[in-house]
Amino acid sequence: AQKVTQAQTEISVVEKEDVTLDCVYETRDTTYYLFWYKQPPSGELVFLIRRNSFDEQNEISGRYSWNFQKSTSSFNFTITASQVVDSAVYFCALSEASISNFGNEKLTFGTGTRLTIIP
Amino acid sequence: DSGVTQTPKHLITATGQRVTLRCSPRSGDLSVYWYQQSLDQGLQFLIQYYNGEERAKGNILERFSAQQFPDLHSELNLSSLELGDSALYFCASSVENRGGVNEQFFGPGTRLTVL
Repeated sequence: AQKVTQAQTEISVVEKEDVTLDCVYETRDTTYYLFWYKQPPSGELVFLIRRNSFDEQNEISGRYSWNFQKSTSSFNFTITASQVVDSAVYFCALSEASISNFGNEKLTFGTGTRLTIIP
Repeated sequence: DSGVTQTPKHLITATGQRVTLRCSPRSGDLSVYWYQQSLDQGLQFLIQYYNGEERAKGNILERFSAQQFPDLHSELNLSSLELGDSALYFCASSVENRGGVNEQFFGPGTRLTVL
């Protein structure tokens, strides 16, 4: 069974500080996909990134970066020079993509980390 | 704006009633997913449809049902409502990716309150 753990329930940092959100996953499949979504106070879920299990390269997009480490089953998310607009709940999610699971693309979400950026 | 639309935005009803939530996927997306977000259960997958056919089922109650129509919009029907069904219901859509799993784009959600 697949599982995603986000141990940090809430984090508060002062604006311009860097912050890292942790995500640890469990899966028996060798082929899987990892995602991060942002849920701002308005409530919608905004897609941030998708990463497959064969691509361990870290990714940077502006102030956002992601560190994928299969050895530790982690997919951590760092925001550099945080801004008040980054305040939101962030979800890590996993989808297995094995042949036996073909067509079932459900996302298993972690419990989320509420990030508050203090001005 | 993700391109996924959901109606209504808010729904308030009483226990025992039945409601229908509606979702229109992004143009070109054949897959539709329904998720429930509640304080105690978090974000839970309910059901997935692909081009009109049910493809996967999660922890969806028997009182709940869904369908996807030929124009690809989907409806989630919730019946015999209980207080515990109060939640935010999200619809998401994605393009098919035969080589893997694509990202899902979420609608704004329907907030259901059962009194």
